[in-house]
Amino acid sequence: NAGVTQTPKFQVLKTGQSMTLQCAQDMNHNSMYWYRQDPGMGLRLIYYSASEGTTDKGEVPNGYNVSRLNKREFSLRLESAAPSQTSVYFCASSIEGNYGYTFGSGTRLTVV
Amino acid sequence: DQQVKQNSPSLSVQEGRISILNCDYTNSMFDYFLWYKKYPAEGPTFLISISSIKDKNEDGRFTVFLNKSAKHLSLHIVPSQPGDSAVYFCAAKGNSGGSNYKLTFGKGTLLTVNP
Repeated sequence: NAGVTQTPKFQVLKTGQSMTLQCAQDMNHNSMYWYRQDPGMGLRLIYYSASEGTTDKGEVPNGYNVSRLNKREFSLRLESAAPSQTSVYFCASSIEGNYGYTFGSGTRLTVV
Repeated sequence: DQQVKQNSPSLSVQEGRISILNCDYTNSMFDYFLWYKKYPAEGPTFLISISSIKDKNEDGRFTVFLNKSAKHLSLHIVPSQPGDSAVYFCAAKGNSGGSNYKLTFGKGTLLTVNP
């Protein structure tokens, strides 16, 4: 049982390049999330998808776009990467109600 | 405005002693609280949670206490073990319209348990 799978695990981009971070879950969860973790900043919500077909902005959405491709998959796209987007990105999923999230193992992104 | 605050960036304790991690929140709409543990190069993993209708929840060595009037919760680990060394995140969920599933996280506390 894989849980939440993120690809790639590591990526180095040049400023201005684009890329898509992939996330898939196999737990039949309705809701999916993208967070970024920066030193001293904790986990900050970028975008979320409450259910298939819906997406909403979180705390720090600027510079990102998302696609909820189907119930399993939720991708995060950087159209024009900037050094400020150097971070560790975590995807998570959950069911509704008082339950926690299941997180993926993260994507470490460096923008030079 | 930071709605979930963990004011201690780090904590160091001796093996076998109690670890107490603290968390404060400002949003009175939060009604469910969770603690996550995170090891380096891994995603956060769920540790323990508490509903706002309770003031204590216990799971083995881990106990979470909630003081709603003070908007404060704490995680107690007794006895602490070296394998508990990790970053601990406090998180809160609000029951306000469509936001009853989003988690707001604190900045985390790095716990180091010394042998």
